[in-house]
Amino acid sequence: EVQLLESGGGLVQPGGSLRLSCAASGFTFSSYAMTWVRQPPGKGLEWVSSISATGISTYYTDSVKGRFTISRDNSKNTLSLQMHSLRAEDTALYYCAKDRSLHVPATGTYDSWGQGTLVSVSS
Amino acid sequence: EIVLTQSPATLSLSPGERATLSCRASQSVSSHLAWYQQKPGQSPRLLIYDASNRATGIPARFSGSGSGTDFTLTISSLEPEDFALYYCQQNSNWPPLTFGGGTKVEIK
Repeated sequence: EVQLLESGGGLVQPGGSLRLSCAASGFTFSSYAMTWVRQPPGKGLEWVSSISATGISTYYTDSVKGRFTISRDNSKNTLSLQMHSLRAEDTALYYCAKDRSLHVPATGTYDSWGQGTLVSVSS
Repeated sequence: EIVLTQSPATLSLSPGERATLSCRASQSVSSHLAWYQQKPGQSPRLLIYDASNRATGIPARFSGSGSGTDFTLTISSLEPEDFALYYCQQNSNWPPLTFGGGTKVEIK
């Protein structure tokens, strides 16, 4: 059974930093692209960042470019999101999700999701 | 950036009725469209990918259709567990990936 367990969320002041992690199990982590999607409280889904299976290719939504860095450690089955210069509008539940297919290029659709970790940016 | 517009925002139906949800793209996404279901307090669940393919374990009452800019998710006969939020998502020519604003299917 695929399991994705996010951690690292919390309350941070504007301008602060957080590092989110996603521990993966139940599948060959190194074969699948992964992504972060966020959901502000009471609002819809927003794609944040994706990374290829090897970690060579990374992609970001414009609003986080230069502030967030996605990475993965295939030896530890872990996906990470380093977030700097956090803003109030980054407040959201952050989900990690697994790409549907191990084929290259990634499909950009996600068949397994974690339960999310909440990031709150407030003074 | 491709904008997805879902309609209606809310659909009020009774169990056993047919639900028809719409998603319109601001430009063609070919068949690169997915549908997700989200229940309160839960993470999204992939229902349909590539416009019309059911994901693993998804009941046959869920079906997707469309191509280009106009797509439909149909639930042939609503079960109590189907009352939820539904999002469409395009994966054509990304990044960025984009989601629609969602349609809430509520009990009438």
